[in-house]
Amino acid sequence: GAVVSQHPSWVICKSGTSVKIECRSLDFQATTMFWYRQFPKQSLMLMATSNEGSKATYEQGVEKDKFLINHASLTLSTLTVTSAHPEDSSFYICSANPGTDFVEQFFGPGTRLTVL
Amino acid sequence: GQNIDQPTEMTATEGAIVQINCTYQTSGFNGLFWYQQHAGEAPTFLSYNVLDGLEEKGRFSSFLSRSKGYSYLLLKELQMKDSASYLCGGVDSNYQLIWGAGTKLIIKP
Repeated sequence: GAVVSQHPSWVICKSGTSVKIECRSLDFQATTMFWYRQFPKQSLMLMATSNEGSKATYEQGVEKDKFLINHASLTLSTLTVTSAHPEDSSFYICSANPGTDFVEQFFGPGTRLTVL
Repeated sequence: GQNIDQPTEMTATEGAIVQINCTYQTSGFNGLFWYQQHAGEAPTFLSYNVLDGLEEKGRFSSFLSRSKGYSYLLLKELQMKDSASYLCGGVDSNYQLIWGAGTKLIIKP
């Protein structure tokens, strides 16, 4: 099956620093990847749609200057949380779809971010 | 607006059957997903329904009624490892996934 990886699995950082999270499709190419955020006991919240070779599409209420997304290749998308603050502490998950033959989204294992 | 409703929490007994309901309101409809998510892990795919009816896959079955905007996930022969959150997601006309808040299923011995 299609595999999506994320790195790092967890990260702890000081307030004000920036954190980069990588999402990779290991055995397929993905022109589109999705970034989600999930707070404890809440559902997934779509943050943005990452498009290879073009600008990401952000959901309403998500600051594009704070959550920088780069989709430089067909197998890699990165999410950078700039000037992170404690309220950014969350579980960040990416997903991708191999193409029209697949209807399901394949999720990465997630990255738990804790900002002190 | 678009909305997915499902119960917040359910409790069931090991070996029993449980049905998790989901109602949806989306702008257009291109299918409905069910995912399982264990605490601290990413969601994993269970089912996708786009046509009316019941689809069975082992111990898990998923049902869809498009006219009623309703779906359910049926879990049979419950096992302790089935304790997880179950996410219902509707796909709208733009192929965007709209997630429900998830149903936490607690299995008791």
